[in-house]
Amino acid sequence: DTGVSQDPRHKITKRGQNVTFRCDPISEHNRLYWYRQTLGQGPEFLTYFQNEAQLEKSRLLSDRFSAERPKGSFSTLEIQRTEQGDSAMYLCASSPSGSGGLDTQYFGPGTRLTVL
Amino acid sequence: AQKITQTQPGMFVQEKEAVTLDCTYDTSDQSYGLFWYKQPSSGEMIFLIYQGSYDEQNATEGRYSLNFQKARKSANLVISASQLGDSAMYFCAPGGGDAGGTSYGKLTFGQGTILTVHP
Repeated sequence: DTGVSQDPRHKITKRGQNVTFRCDPISEHNRLYWYRQTLGQGPEFLTYFQNEAQLEKSRLLSDRFSAERPKGSFSTLEIQRTEQGDSAMYLCASSPSGSGGLDTQYFGPGTRLTVL
Repeated sequence: AQKITQTQPGMFVQEKEAVTLDCTYDTSDQSYGLFWYKQPSSGEMIFLIYQGSYDEQNATEGRYSLNFQKARKSANLVISASQLGDSAMYFCAPGGGDAGGTSYGKLTFGQGTILTVHP
C-alpha cells in the first residue's frame, strides 16, 4: 500500500497528558499537511511542510501543539497537556510538490483522539 | 483567503439517479482550484475530482463531473447513476495559488453535504 499512513488510528488519553501522532506521506510527495476535524464539521487546516520546512501554521495551532518533519519524510504532531477540546480527528495529507500547479492532496485514514 | 459555502446539509437520491451537490466559493487568490472529496463513515477523505480556475472545460472523472461557473463562483458536483456506496459526506474545498500557479498549500473546506442513496 503506497497511500498516506497514520499511527495510531485511535488514541484515548486523560486530560493533561501529552500525545504524539505520526504521519507517513506518499514517498515521492514533498508537501505534508495536518488538519483537524471535529464532529459535523469540515477539516480545518493546522500546518504544512515542504520537505523539512514548516511553511505555514494556523492560529488554531496553539503553543501546546508542535509539528515536525525532521528529514522531510514522516511527520509528527505532538499535543502537550491535552484538553477535552482537543478531541477530534487529526488528518494528515500529502501532495507531490509546491510548484508548478495546485497539487491534489491525498489524505490518510486519520487519528481519532479522545481526551477524557 | 477563501470562503466556501455548501448550502445543502443533506441530500437524498434514488439509486441509479443523478444528483447535484452545490458549492459556492469566494476567493481573492490569483489562481485557484476546486477540489471535491468524499468522506464515508470510516472517516478517510477520498479525492474525487479537481477543477482549475483557468480550465476551459468542465472536469469529468468517471461518474463525477463538475458544473463550473466561474462568473458565479460555483463548482457543483454532479454524480451520475448513483450507487449505494456513494452514501457519504461530500466536501468542496478551494485551494489558492499565486499568479504562476504555485500552490499556497492549505485547503479550506466547507461544512459538507451528507448524501444518502436509497435503493
